[in-house]
Amino acid sequence: ETGVTQSPTHLIKTRGQQVTLRCSSQSGHNTVSWYQQALGQGPQFIFQYYREEENGRGNFPPRFSGLQFPNYSSELNVNALELDDSALYLCASSTPRGGGPNEQFFGPGTRLTVL
Amino acid sequence: AQTVTQSQPEMSVQEAETVTLSCTYDTSESNYYLFWYKQPPSRQMILVIRQEAYKQQNATENRFSVNFQKAAKSFSLKISDSQLGDTAMYFCAFMKLRDDKIIFGKGTRLHILP
Repeated sequence: ETGVTQSPTHLIKTRGQQVTLRCSSQSGHNTVSWYQQALGQGPQFIFQYYREEENGRGNFPPRFSGLQFPNYSSELNVNALELDDSALYLCASSTPRGGGPNEQFFGPGTRLTVL
Repeated sequence: AQTVTQSQPEMSVQEAETVTLSCTYDTSESNYYLFWYKQPPSRQMILVIRQEAYKQQNATENRFSVNFQKAAKSFSLKISDSQLGDTAMYFCAFMKLRDDKIIFGKGTRLHILP
């Protein structure tokens, strides 16, 4: 069983540029959530995709957008990068099940640095 | 809105000792889930233990156990017989029922010393 993978591992961009981060969900999972983890902070929920539709969004501006593909992999796009966007971006996959929380399995993250 | 507070930014204990990490949370929900996650230097977030708020019995997973005090909105993690591999950031987290959004605290950096 393949776990959650993310690419790239590290990325350096300059202010104003656009970036795309990628996530492959764990086998059998149809839900992907994205989190932003600033240095020294806990992760913050950006949004979630379920069967290719956005299924909840945190307090992030519209320049943070996403996609989920038929194979349930996902992309996070950030336009007009700002210095404060520098963070570790975590992807987590899960699948709905009854009777308890949908356990989210996290990837190793993409470290984005904005200069 | 839900909040999760971890008041200990950093802790150090000797190997084989027992350590307790504190967490408080605020919510108006009556049923919810609480979690402790571990994030080692490899950055991969790993679920350590979870607690359903409607269960009075405290969850345990091998050397890890929680002290869940619902009325006090407190959820501490106890690590017994600590090992060097327990060195990591530990995050307390909250999730409402039927909601996949996890709300994390700021974390506690735990060092296990040889």
